[in-house]
Amino acid sequence: EIVLTQSPGTLSLSPGERATLSCRASQSVDSFYLAWYQQKPGQAPRLLIYGASRRATGIPDRFSGSGSETDFTLTISRLEPEDFAVYYCQQSGNSPVPFGGGTKVEIK
Amino acid sequence: QVQLVQSGAEVKKPGASVKVSCKASGYRFISHDINWVRQAPGQGLEWMGWINPNSGNTGYAQNFQGRVAMTMNTSINTAYMELRSLRSEDTAVYYCARGSHFVGTFCGGDCYDGVEVGYGMDVWGQGSTVSVSS
Repeated sequence: EIVLTQSPGTLSLSPGERATLSCRASQSVDSFYLAWYQQKPGQAPRLLIYGASRRATGIPDRFSGSGSETDFTLTISRLEPEDFAVYYCQQSGNSPVPFGGGTKVEIK
Repeated sequence: QVQLVQSGAEVKKPGASVKVSCKASGYRFISHDINWVRQAPGQGLEWMGWINPNSGNTGYAQNFQGRVAMTMNTSINTAYMELRSLRSEDTAVYYCARGSHFVGTFCGGDCYDGVEVGYGMDVWGQGSTVSVSS
């Protein structure tokens, strides 16, 4: 069973700064099936990135994804106030379909 | 518009069962998987399983094997998740989410159009709170 480990657990940054979030898999993952989600308090998650690097519909281009095999990264180039949230990676190439533990991006 | 609307909050006693519904609209119901994901208070996301409304095939996370059943009624575009033998640790918000296989252009040496380029859960229900307490 694949385990996804996200780091850091919490990222404290100011608006306008760059955020770099990591997702590491315990074994190689087909990048087609690596996705990133954003969740704000009291809301359902929202798909940001699928296929490791492709933005979902309506997602601003300040969000980008990269990586392959066991190491994946979500980058937010310049944080906007609405970007402070929790971010999860997920692989769905093989069942089960785990989520990472999440990275909270908070205002410094 | 495309949406998933879930049933309301439930309060259950330990040992009981709960059945959450997820009604789809705005798209062809049988063309997309429905995944179920839960989130305990203050915790992360936990994938529970999926159902393919076209075939009825299901896949469940090991943690829920034997205790969960995912079904659907295609005549009313609704998926269901039933969880049995509830315990206090099952207190959570339960989400349904549409799974989509995205099609696009893939370039390796050559470029190919119309190929699958990824999968993601692109439409989510609003969540159904299930509280388990004696």
